[in-house]
Amino acid sequence: DAEITQSPRHKITETGRQVTLACHQTWNHNNMFWYRQDLGHGLRLIHYSYGVQDTNKGEVSDGYSVSRSNTEDLPLTLESAASSQTSVYFCASSESVENTEAFFGQGTRLTVV
Amino acid sequence: KNQVEQSPQSLIILEGKNCTLQCNYTVSPFSNLRWYKQDTGRGPVSLTIMTFSENTKSNGRYTATLDADTKQSSLHITASQLSDSASYICVVRSGGSYIPTFGRGTSLIVHP
Repeated sequence: DAEITQSPRHKITETGRQVTLACHQTWNHNNMFWYRQDLGHGLRLIHYSYGVQDTNKGEVSDGYSVSRSNTEDLPLTLESAASSQTSVYFCASSESVENTEAFFGQGTRLTVV
Repeated sequence: KNQVEQSPQSLIILEGKNCTLQCNYTVSPFSNLRWYKQDTGRGPVSLTIMTFSENTKSNGRYTATLDADTKQSSLHITASQLSDSASYICVVRSGGSYIPTFGRGTSLIVHP
């Protein structure tokens, strides 16, 4: 069965370190998204991609970057981790911009100390 | 600015009872509205999608309604079960943007 997987599931890092969260999907979807979820805010879009070599900033992109070198993967990098980036991160993918059902990974809980 | 407001923020009900969750939006122009269910520690999963021409849609014990005139949607859960305990998220997409707007969710707890 097709799926979307995130790794690691849990991560503790120190302030100032670079961290990369992995997202891999086997749906062969063109669209991939990264969100963060915090209490009181719901899901907020960090970055998204509509295909290989395409990346776009979302509403909370500062301090984050992504790259899309193939269809299956969209890694999220925190250039210099800050305590404000402690959150649960979700990756998602969708088939097209018209069919908006997004399939989410199980999330990565990141703690920056 | 596009906004999606959900109410109540949290809800506790007894197993077997019905409940209704609300979603009000100011997204314009409207394209579609989805309800997602998010179990604790998991990613959201789509329950149903409502388009402009649809008033009611059911998915098992879940029934979603849409009033595009008042820009309101509801999710009704019938004969609740313990497994319904989750967060329910309303997501609205505008016709002018491929990026949907998420509500903050309603946390539902079903007690035995």
